Amino acid sequence: KQEVTQIPAALSVPEGENLVLNCSFTDSAIYNLQWFRQDPGKGLTSLLLIQSSQREQTSGRLNASLDKSSGRSTLYIAASQPGDSATYLCAVRQGTGNTPLVFGKGTRLSVIA
Amino acid sequence: SQTIHQWPATLVQPVGSPLSLECTVEGTSNPNLYWYRQAAGRGLQLLFYSVGIGQISSEVPQNLSASRPQDRQFILSSKKLLLSDSGFYLCAWSVRPGPAYGYTFGSGTRLTVV
Repeated sequence: KQEVTQIPAALSVPEGENLVLNCSFTDSAIYNLQWFRQDPGKGLTSLLLIQSSQREQTSGRLNASLDKSSGRSTLYIAASQPGDSATYLCAVRQGTGNTPLVFGKGTRLSVIA
Repeated sequence: SQTIHQWPATLVQPVGSPLSLECTVEGTSNPNLYWYRQAAGRGLQLLFYSVGIGQISSEVPQNLSASRPQDRQFILSSKKLLLSDSGFYLCAWSVRPGPAYGYTFGSGTRLTVV
């Protein structure tokens, strides 16, 4: 059974710092991996999706990498801003893609001005 | 473009009362549909998913049920709510197949059972 772990559970950084959020998964036979952002009391907003054949994806100040063989993904946020404060969730989709997403518990990020 | 609607946004219900949460998707056909619950301090828990009309898979045995009466409509129900049913309920959809496509989530329903 796939398990997804995110470390750290919470992170506080000063504005302007570059930071890395970690995600690990136990079964490397994934279909794709998706990073989401969740603001308090809100739904999930998709940030980046990495297909199993890809190594990384970039969107603005965000860069997500995938190392399937080691069961790891990282989300890199450059030049952090207070508006980046949110919970970041990693989720993997298995096999042929018909099985549902499995989520980590998230990393709660606070960027201090 | 595709959109997902979920309502109501907030709901306070007494223990033992029924529940009906609705989710609809626009701009796509034959989506996979999902219900997740997020309890305080816990991760996202998959409750039900559906790959077609009338096809429902349950992940967690409980007093909740789901139905898909139309292609783009997904309903979460309960006959009698428990205190433990409180949480944030999220509906999501995805296309099938397509590794380049991910999940899109609705804005969620905050359910408080009192």
